[in-house]
This record gives sequence, structure tokens and C-alpha cells, in this order.
Amino acid sequence: DIQMTQSPSSLSASVGDRVSITCRASQSISSNLNWYQQKPGKAPKLLMYTASSLQSGVPSRFSGSGSGTDFTLTISNLQPEDFAAYYCQQTYITPWTFGQGTKVEIK
Amino acid sequence: EVQLVESGGGLVQPGGSLKLSCAASGFTFSGSSMHWVRQSSGKGLEWVGRIRSKTNNYATAYAASVKGRFTISRDDSENTAYLQMNSLKTEDTAMYYCTRHSMAGSSYRDNWGQGTLVTVSS
Repeated sequence: DIQMTQSPSSLSASVGDRVSITCRASQSISSNLNWYQQKPGKAPKLLMYTASSLQSGVPSRFSGSGSGTDFTLTISNLQPEDFAAYYCQQTYITPWTFGQGTKVEIK
Repeated sequence: EVQLVESGGGLVQPGGSLKLSCAASGFTFSGSSMHWVRQSSGKGLEWVGRIRSKTNNYATAYAASVKGRFTISRDDSENTAYLQMNSLKTEDTAMYYCTRHSMAGSSYRDNWGQGTLVTVSS
């Protein structure tokens, strides 16, 4: 199975900051990577697909990059509603696997 | 509007069985792969498995943690997917989500249900 390793596991930031979350795959997954945002008590929400494509309706302050094994989700100009958990997911091959998550907290 | 509605969760003893349902509407269910994802309280997301469409021979795939114990099936006439869970363990306690993902041209369809809670405890 492909292992997805996210870092950091948590971070503290202020409104207006730029933050980056990285995700590393244990083998190449091309660009078959999704990023999700999850708030407490809610189902995850897709932010990015195929590593760098912004899902419809998602603010442009979210961006994604990478291919192969190394990927990054960047949130520029962090807003109050962005404090949440973020997960990467590889869809290159089954079993699909998620990273362990990154919790973005208010500093 | 796409809707996925899970049901069938509840309390079950270790070693027991439970069958979850996912009723779908608002899209062509028969042509879609359907997935199950779970999340233990306060923990991360775990992909459980998926079933593909009839065109793809209803092929299934599972996470190693549930393989041999869980079975995913579907009834296209009822627009419903199922997750049969046998030999349940305490570590299977989680919120179970039914999900649908597909590429449509250059866009990506990604839908989740509200989840159904499964508690495995004596």
C-alpha cells in the first residue's frame, strides 16, 4: 500500500498568514492527489484535485503543487474560516490512502 | 442535487455483524463507483473500500484492515450501495461515510454523505 505522510501534524497561524502543508507519498503517484478540508462534526470538503486543480467554489487563496512523491497545499491570506483539519489523499491506486492530517489552529 | 444518505449504524458487540446502506440520488448511480470512508472519533480518515460500476464488472477493492471481513455491494435498481461488516472489532468503531468521486471532463465530482456511526462495544 502507498503510505502518505503529511507534515506538520499541526500548526498555529494568524489571520492573514501564508501557510503550507506538505504531503509525501511512499512511491510515485503522478498527480493523483486530492486535498480535503474538514471542520468538526462535518464531512470532508474537497479543495484540490489532481494535485493542483482548484475545486469549483473553493477560494483562490488555496493552491496546490507537486507531482510524483512530493506535494504542497498552500493557503495564502489565512481567513478565520480556514482553521480546520486538512488531509491529502492519493487516488493513484487502490487502496486509496489518506495522510494522517494537519490541524491548522489559531495562534 | 446530489444526495448520499447513509443508514444502518448502531451499537454492536465484538464479533458481530452490521450492514450499512447508502441511498443515492441526483446522479447516474449505475455509472458511478461508490466508496466507503471511515473516521474514528478524533482521528484521521481511512478509506475502507469501493465498488465500481457494472461496466467495470462491479470490481471491489478494500483496505487491508477490513479485507476478508467487510463486503461492498450495490443494487443499481434501488440506487443503493451497501457495506456488510462481519467479525467486527472494537477498532472498527467509527463514523462511516459513503462517497462518490469521478472525473467529468476537466472537472471532478466529489460527494459525501452525512455519515452513520458504528460503535463496537460489549
